[in-house]
Amino acid sequence: QVQLVESGGGLVKPGGSLRLSCAASGFTFSDYYMSWVRQTPGKGLEWVSYITGSSSSVYYPDSVKGRFTISRDNAKNSLYLQMNSLRVEDTAVYYCVVGGSHFDYWGPGTLVTVSS
Amino acid sequence: EIVMTQSPATLSVSPGERATLSCRASQSVSTNLAWYQQRPGQAPRLLIYDAYTRATGIPARFSGSGSGTEFTLTISSLQSEDFAVYYCQQYNSWPQAFGQGTKLEI
Repeated sequence: QVQLVESGGGLVKPGGSLRLSCAASGFTFSDYYMSWVRQTPGKGLEWVSYITGSSSSVYYPDSVKGRFTISRDNAKNSLYLQMNSLRVEDTAVYYCVVGGSHFDYWGPGTLVTVSS
Repeated sequence: EIVMTQSPATLSVSPGERATLSCRASQSVSTNLAWYQQRPGQAPRLLIYDAYTRATGIPARFSGSGSGTEFTLTISSLQSEDFAVYYCQQYNSWPQAFGQGTKLEI
């Protein structure tokens, strides 16, 4: 069955960087669009980025554009999110998700806390 | 940017009853709408996509309807495991957007 496991979350100071990883299994990874979605108590669920199966296209909302970079390694069945210039408002649980429109499968999430 | 509004914020119902949850889009999203369930301490789970298509493994008591700007998720006979938070999401235009959720409680 589909399994997604995120890692790399933690505590970071404002302006710092983190790289999240997601290990995928149970499906043909390269065939699927993948996304990152985050969740905060205050703002709820927010789509953060998506990448096509071949990495030919990536998309970001304005809130993270220029600061976050999504990438994937199909040989390793892995998805990544490089987060730079982190802000307090980026504090959230980050989910690795299968899909680029509706989100079919979700990992358990990893907590990112941005605080001084 | 499309804004999704869910109502009510909290719905109190009893096991065995029918629950009807609403989701409204600020502009038409056609049928490009999904519903998710989130139980405490868990990630969201896809229930419905394309407004009315049940995802794999989702029981028939969950049904979706609507198009354009008005959508409904109906749970025909509530089971104990259905008490959770439900979110709608549009994927008709960028950026995809979620509603703020409806909490289904006893």
